[in-house]
Amino acid sequence: QQQVKQSPQSLIVQKGGISIINCAYENTAFDYFPWYQQFPGKGPALLIAIRPDVSEKKEGRFTISFNKSAKQFSLHIMDSQPGDSATYFCAATYGQNFVFGPGTRLSVLP
Amino acid sequence: DADVTQTPRNRITKTGKRIMLECSQTKGHDRMYWYRQDPGLGLRLIYYSFDVKDINKGEISDGYSVSRQAQAKFSLSLESAIPNQTALYFCATSDPRAGGTGELFFGEGSRLTVL
Repeated sequence: QQQVKQSPQSLIVQKGGISIINCAYENTAFDYFPWYQQFPGKGPALLIAIRPDVSEKKEGRFTISFNKSAKQFSLHIMDSQPGDSATYFCAATYGQNFVFGPGTRLSVLP
Repeated sequence: DADVTQTPRNRITKTGKRIMLECSQTKGHDRMYWYRQDPGLGLRLIYYSFDVKDINKGEISDGYSVSRQAQAKFSLSLESAIPNQTALYFCATSDPRAGGTGELFFGEGSRLTVL
């Protein structure tokens, strides 16, 4: 019940395309769903997050879509750029308990 | 200067050796964490501490120990390193008072190789 599933494991997108990463969870106690972005040689950093009382949150080119009934959420990167190439982790939390997905390595080709 | 600093950044050691990874932070956060990152497994929690007198086991604490020397310092020890502890280790901090999100702030990682 603590597991967060994430797909795909890796993703290659052309510059200007849309990148989509999907996550699913089981534990309905989770109340905060952040996405972290990690560049090579760096630690993960918070990118965008959503609470389950909204279905979508947009920040610039990054959008989280959240489906509470299906217990699924996804990250959409519009107009993907080579600088977006990184590993993305979804997570689900309650209190200070963070459960991370296995990560998606995104490569955006110029 | 980084807000969360980990030392060493890279370490190669042999099976059976004792290893300590150190973490210090200037963010003033009470909560500190140690995570392990392995390809395809994401970030898994080893230990966490909500204040100097509080230490808690995480998902994968076997073979590890920690010490919270001060609010700003949290060390991870491998008493007798084994090859399957080869991984990238991250220290993180959080402050749940900051907007209620409990965002994690990560260091840049310590890559450990056990031969």
